[in-house]
Amino acid sequence: DQQVKQNSPSLSVQEGRISILNCDYTNSMFDYFLWYKKYPAEGPTFLISISSIKDKNEDGRFTVFLNKSAKHLSLHIVPSQPGDSAVYFCAASEGAPASKLTFGTGTRLQVTL
Amino acid sequence: DGGITQSPKYLFRKEGQNVTLSCEQNLNHDAMYWYRQDPGQGLRLIYYSQIVNDFQKGDIAEGYSVSREKKESFPLTVTSAQKNPTAFYLCASSIIIFGADEQFFGPGTRLTVL
Repeated sequence: DQQVKQNSPSLSVQEGRISILNCDYTNSMFDYFLWYKKYPAEGPTFLISISSIKDKNEDGRFTVFLNKSAKHLSLHIVPSQPGDSAVYFCAASEGAPASKLTFGTGTRLQVTL
Repeated sequence: DGGITQSPKYLFRKEGQNVTLSCEQNLNHDAMYWYRQDPGQGLRLIYYSQIVNDFQKGDIAEGYSVSREKKESFPLTVTSAQKNPTAFYLCASSIIIFGADEQFFGPGTRLTVL
């Protein structure tokens, strides 16, 4: 049973435009969410996180929005750059210390020139 | 500089052989983890350890074993009991702090069983 779902396996966006990556979850106990970025043959790197007490967190070009009632979060990248081309994983955890992460299946973002 | 190292980057083994994947961190993190990634799937947790000499099974522990004799090291053994061992294996570590626990990942080991 996939508790964290990323329904779009891939997304193509033109350079300079906004990229929106979506993530849905089913476990209402999740209270901390993270986005990781992964290049081929490398480990994922942490990008941005959000606690369930917030509905938005921003870090430079990256913003994560959380809609708890819909059990949905999204990652916005503005403006998109070619270096953003990677696989993006959404992850969630419940409680603290929030050690155990449940990952989504990933969305491959391609930023074209 | 601090980080997580995994070796080797690529590993080939014959079916039926046990193989051990190395993971070392010098970040002084208490917690360490092993994940497996298969094409089109998210990372799945194999084992994790929150302190030395203690570890717990993750979601897909069957056919794997680990040890945590030192804080810096968390080797994973893929045994012959693992039915489909070919995958990309990722080690991670984290500081356990209240409310936030971003995991830092190593570069991964791609294991191919022939």
